[in-house]
Amino acid sequence: GDSVTQMEGPVTLSEEAFLTINCTYTATGYPSLFWYVQYPGEGLQLLLKATKADDKGSNKGFEATYRKETTSFHLEKGSVQVSDSAVYFCALDYGGSQGNLIFGKGTKLSVKP
Amino acid sequence: GAVVSQHPSWVICKSGTSVKIECRSLDFQATTMFWYRQFPKQSLMLMATSNEGSKATYEQGVEKDKFLINHASLTLSTLTVTSAHPEDSSFYICSAPSENYGYTFGSGTRLTVV
Repeated sequence: GDSVTQMEGPVTLSEEAFLTINCTYTATGYPSLFWYVQYPGEGLQLLLKATKADDKGSNKGFEATYRKETTSFHLEKGSVQVSDSAVYFCALDYGGSQGNLIFGKGTKLSVKP
Repeated sequence: GAVVSQHPSWVICKSGTSVKIECRSLDFQATTMFWYRQFPKQSLMLMATSNEGSKATYEQGVEKDKFLINHASLTLSTLTVTSAHPEDSSFYICSAPSENYGYTFGSGTRLTVV
């Protein structure tokens, strides 16, 4: 079946460091890909998404490109801030708001000043 | 934007007791609510889908008699873990479809059964 694999955390970086969180997927069809972020004490929030191959999602300085050839959707940010400390989830679904989001395990990011 | 309020954020209960988790949509009507569970070091997994005014749909392997879901109004869905046991200890989170496509999530409930 379909699945999402994220790099194990936690990830600890200094402020202004470059961030990469790896995400690869296995899918039988052509899913949309998402990154969700969960700040402490809050619900998951959609960070960015891409709906087809070669699409790049971007938001708040974060970027991820839908790579069909490598079945990847790695999250990157050029210069992280303390406020980026959160848990990041990679996910896929086939649209239609059916709730069948398939998540990775989540990666906790801690950014130190 | 759309907000889903989930309570409690954490709860500790004794084995054999029941625990109710509430998810309330604050500024929109949630005709559908999805309930997820996350065991330590595992992914979030969809447990069930509740629809206002009808019976919930459970994913394969989820005991409907143990995880009672009620969606009696357009703004409230509840999950009751009945006769909880330590193996039910987990992180439970709800979400509802929101207007701009995608899902609005609650903040989650950490359940620990001792």
